[in-house]
Amino acid sequence: DTGVSQDPRHKITKRGQNVTFRCDPISEHNRLYWYRQTLGQGPEFLTYFQNEAQLEKSRLLSDRFSAERPKGSFSTLEIQRTEQGDSAMYLCASSSSGSTDTQYFGPGTRLTVL
Amino acid sequence: GESVGLHLPTLSVQEGDNSIINCAYSNSASDYFIWYKQESGKGPQFIIDIRSNMDKRQGQRVTVLLNKTVKHLSLQIAATQPGDSAVYFCAENIFTGNQFYFGTGTSLTVIP
Repeated sequence: DTGVSQDPRHKITKRGQNVTFRCDPISEHNRLYWYRQTLGQGPEFLTYFQNEAQLEKSRLLSDRFSAERPKGSFSTLEIQRTEQGDSAMYLCASSSSGSTDTQYFGPGTRLTVL
Repeated sequence: GESVGLHLPTLSVQEGDNSIINCAYSNSASDYFIWYKQESGKGPQFIIDIRSNMDKRQGQRVTVLLNKTVKHLSLQIAATQPGDSAVYFCAENIFTGNQFYFGTGTSLTVIP
């Protein structure tokens, strides 16, 4: 399976701890996106990379959140000083720049902050 | 702000019947739409897409209809099967941008 992969699939942490998630996009895709999804809601856009450049950030991405894509391949999303309100599913998607830009999603990382 | 919304949060259908899931959008500049299927514990799965220069697009057992006059999108699933049970999201995109805006989703339950 050469789809989008995310690691870990589940993360339980205590409030105040830092967590880091990884996303490996489809290999030929140069665009990578992070979304957050809470129960019963649709995904909400967080940030977007084209190759290694972070081109867009949502206002949802507070200063406790940081994302990187250092070599234009995999990406990491770090949350510092986690809060209970950070509990959500964090989804990664990738696409190739072109006429459709269809985004394909990974399985997500479920974060629970105690 | 502008949003994507769904008319029905839940839908139950008998196996073999056709399903119709509706979506309203308010951004008249949106020109590309995708329907995603999301099963419990999994990421959204691409089903079908449509551009604003089209009114209808068909896939395998699925059809998407776009009515730009009333800003309405629908997903029709023919001969619904138990494996179709999931939450369905419509997502809209302004082609010059890179964000997709998702609605809250419709939960489809197929009754055997």
